[in-house]
Amino acid sequence: GQQLNQSPQSMFIQEGEDVSMNCTSSSIFNTWLWYKQDPGEGPVLLIALYKAGELTSNGRLTAQFGTTRKDSFLNISASIPSDVGIYFCAGPPYNFNKFYFGSGTKLNVKP
Amino acid sequence: ETGVTQTPRHLVMGMTNKKSLKCEQHLGHNAMYWYKQSAKKPLELMFVYNFKEQTENNSVPSRFSPECPNSSHLFLHLHTLQPEDSALYLCASSQETPSGGRRGANVLTFGAGSRLTVL
Repeated sequence: GQQLNQSPQSMFIQEGEDVSMNCTSSSIFNTWLWYKQDPGEGPVLLIALYKAGELTSNGRLTAQFGTTRKDSFLNISASIPSDVGIYFCAGPPYNFNKFYFGSGTKLNVKP
Repeated sequence: ETGVTQTPRHLVMGMTNKKSLKCEQHLGHNAMYWYKQSAKKPLELMFVYNFKEQTENNSVPSRFSPECPNSSHLFLHLHTLQPEDSALYLCASSQETPSGGRRGANVLTFGAGSRLTVL
């Protein structure tokens, strides 16, 4: 199915650093979702965004729904080793009744 | 129990076996999904059920057979699988299939997955 363009594919950072990742699409989205997946586990929802321009935080995580409705950003501040995992963006495009997913950003944090 | 529960978490089967994966959601949702996640590949949608009716079969081979007896339970029956079917199978649910106006319909909750190995 259609995939969202998610970047970067992977990141290697030092503990304490801030991280940014983003997703773009050629379609307008109603909702942007950000998930984290640990190895061998299912994705866990981190943040859901529902309208253009919305900025939402969940602890050290902050995500934004782009004003064009075609993109979204996730920032992690002051990273810690347990932030390691794969982060996915997802959402249903406007007038589509299915979810599309980014290919994931693999985050590695060096203590 | 809360959320979406999948059993078994790990399954090893031979190509001639018949087994089933089970998913149960305790969220009061009406849409349930099966996804396949292979190593280094994006999530692949397999099946969607909305209010117990199958609304999507994403060209899945017939050796995978879904069953949705009610809105809370979803099964994936497996028979004569191939080694390339080895993957993490994820069940998910949402209030309904996505729609423009309903926020709850646009949020997907996943189970922990069933790791399948076909020998």
